[in-house]
Amino acid sequence: DGGITQSPKYLFRKEGQNVTLSCEQNLNHDAMYWYRQDPGQGLRLIYYSQIVNDFQKGDIAEGYSVSREKKESFPLTVTSAQKNPTAFYLCASSAGLLMAQHFGDGTRLSIL
Amino acid sequence: AQKVTQAQTEISVVEKEDVTLDCVYETRDTTYYLFWYKQPPSGELVFLIRRNSFDEQNEISGRYSWNFQKSTSSFNFTITASQVVDSAVYFCALTGSYDKVIFGPGTSLSVIP
Repeated sequence: DGGITQSPKYLFRKEGQNVTLSCEQNLNHDAMYWYRQDPGQGLRLIYYSQIVNDFQKGDIAEGYSVSREKKESFPLTVTSAQKNPTAFYLCASSAGLLMAQHFGDGTRLSIL
Repeated sequence: AQKVTQAQTEISVVEKEDVTLDCVYETRDTTYYLFWYKQPPSGELVFLIRRNSFDEQNEISGRYSWNFQKSTSSFNFTITASQVVDSAVYFCALTGSYDKVIFGPGTSLSVIP
């Protein structure tokens, strides 16, 4: 079945450590997105990519980095510069920026 | 600037009641798209509907219906005969001019058996 796979489901980060969240899609979508969701809050856009080898900052990009080397993959790295990384991270993809987004199951990141 | 407002933070209804979730948007674009997504307790967002700014027809899908009114910049969502499985957070979203999607803050719906 086509869909979006995020891994891991739960992730723990130590102080000063970078961690990478995986996002893979087999929907042949051009656009991919990363969102952060804090408890009781809406979605905030971290980064998005419209095509391979291109991506743009969203509203809260500081402390995060991404790459888009393959159409299917859009990994997110939470760097040590992100001082409050504990949150629920959602990856999504769509056929284009105006189209509906399909979401993964999310990754819950916590600080040890 | 684009903005989506969902004034209802939390709603509780008793099973089988009808419930309407409000969504008010702001945009300067003449062409734009509106969406509704459902986020059940499991966390994954599920796409419900996409509507473009030129189509003001109301939409019905089973127990779900949507009322789009450009005159009031609203795109409200009604669930008829609510069920416990409808308990979730519902997000309204907006995009236009090939820009990124703006999500509203969400409305948490609890359906009590």
